[in-house]
Amino acid sequence: EIVLTQSPGTLSLSPGERATLSCRASRSVSSSYLAWYQQKPGQAPRLLIFGASSRATGIPDRFSGSGSGTDFTLTISRLEPEDFAVYYCQQYGSSMWTFGQGTKVEIK
Amino acid sequence: EVQLLESGGGLVQPGGSLRLSCAASGFTFSTYGMAWVRQAPGKGLEWVSGISSTGSNTYYADSVKGRFTISRDNSRDTLYLQMNSLRGDDTAVYYCAKGGNNGWYYFDYWGQGTLVTVSS
Repeated sequence: EIVLTQSPGTLSLSPGERATLSCRASRSVSSSYLAWYQQKPGQAPRLLIFGASSRATGIPDRFSGSGSGTDFTLTISRLEPEDFAVYYCQQYGSSMWTFGQGTKVEIK
Repeated sequence: EVQLLESGGGLVQPGGSLRLSCAASGFTFSTYGMAWVRQAPGKGLEWVSGISSTGSNTYYADSVKGRFTISRDNSRDTLYLQMNSLRGDDTAVYYCAKGGNNGWYYFDYWGQGTLVTVSS
């Protein structure tokens, strides 16, 4: 089973700042099989990025994904007030889906 | 508009059973893989089970294998999760999720979830 480790656990930033979130896999992951989600309190997760770098429908272009192999990154270029939330990476492999433990982006 | 509406959650004693349902609308249900993902209180997301579009292939996390059964009725556009031998660590919000348009590697739509509480 591939384990995804996200860092940092919490990111304290101000609106307008750039956020860089990391997702590291215990073994190589196909870029096609790496996704990112945003979750706000009391809400279901929302798909942001699939295939490591493709934005989902309706996702603003301030969100971008990159990476390959074992290291992937979600970047939010300029934080808006509505972007403060928890972010999860997720991979698919060997008929299993796994999630990272999440990174909380909080207002500084 | 894609909608996924879960139901069937509630309070159950350890060792008991529950059946969750997820009613789908707004897309051709029979052409997409589906999954259940859960989230324990204050914790992260955990994939539970997946099922192919036709129902011929099913997959389970080790934590639920042998206790949970996923199924679907494509004539009713409904996904199910039969949960038996429930334990305290099965307490969670259970989300129904639709496989992506570009492959069943990610989930592009999620329901609002149904809470399952296992307690005596």
